[in-house]
Amino acid sequence: NAGVTQTPKFQVLKTGQSMTLQCAQDMNHEYMSWYRQDPGMGLRLIHYSVGAGITDQGEVPNGYNVSRSTTEDFPLRLLSAAPSQTSVYFCASSYSRKAGPFNTDTQYFGPGTRLTVL
Amino acid sequence: EDQVTQSPEALRLQEGESSSLNCSYTVSGLRGLFWYRQDPGKGPEFLFTLYSAGEEKEKERLKATLTKKESFLHITAPKPEDSATYLCAVLGSSNTGKLIFGQGTTLQVKP
Repeated sequence: NAGVTQTPKFQVLKTGQSMTLQCAQDMNHEYMSWYRQDPGMGLRLIHYSVGAGITDQGEVPNGYNVSRSTTEDFPLRLLSAAPSQTSVYFCASSYSRKAGPFNTDTQYFGPGTRLTVL
Repeated sequence: EDQVTQSPEALRLQEGESSSLNCSYTVSGLRGLFWYRQDPGKGPEFLFTLYSAGEEKEKERLKATLTKKESFLHITAPKPEDSATYLCAVLGSSNTGKLIFGQGTTLQVKP
């Protein structure tokens, strides 16, 4: 298994440009999520999905869109990039244990995308 | 509000000098506490999951323990290759699959 893969590894955008960060997993995980990591702020949840066709907002969703049309893929879209979105973005996935509405399974992370917005 | 605080922020050890990292948490109904290791320029790598107070898990020189208020990551006789940032995260009953991360502890082990 390749695990969780992310593309691109690095990206530079100009303010106002749009782009999509790609995330894919081959572990048949139901749960997928996007985090951003900034110095002094730790990892913060942007959006997450508990299955194909189901997405929800995390802690810092503004400026980002997601969709989940397949189990394997969970792209993150920046509609109009801003310098405040300069960060390292991580995608993660896990099984969704059938224990009520809570996912207690370990999340596995991809290698990250380093984004700079000028 | 669920919260995680890790201490110290940075730790320097000599090779072989054992120590512990602390993760204090406030969460409504702990569903799981997770430890990750992160090397520079890479994604977090899973180490341990702890689900209930009193639980302990070990992997090579690392041992994680859990109480109702905090978790410790004990490092026994560390080696330079143990140098990394160690992240703690919690999952509470009020958050569906949403991990809350601490700031991390950056460990440097000198030979």
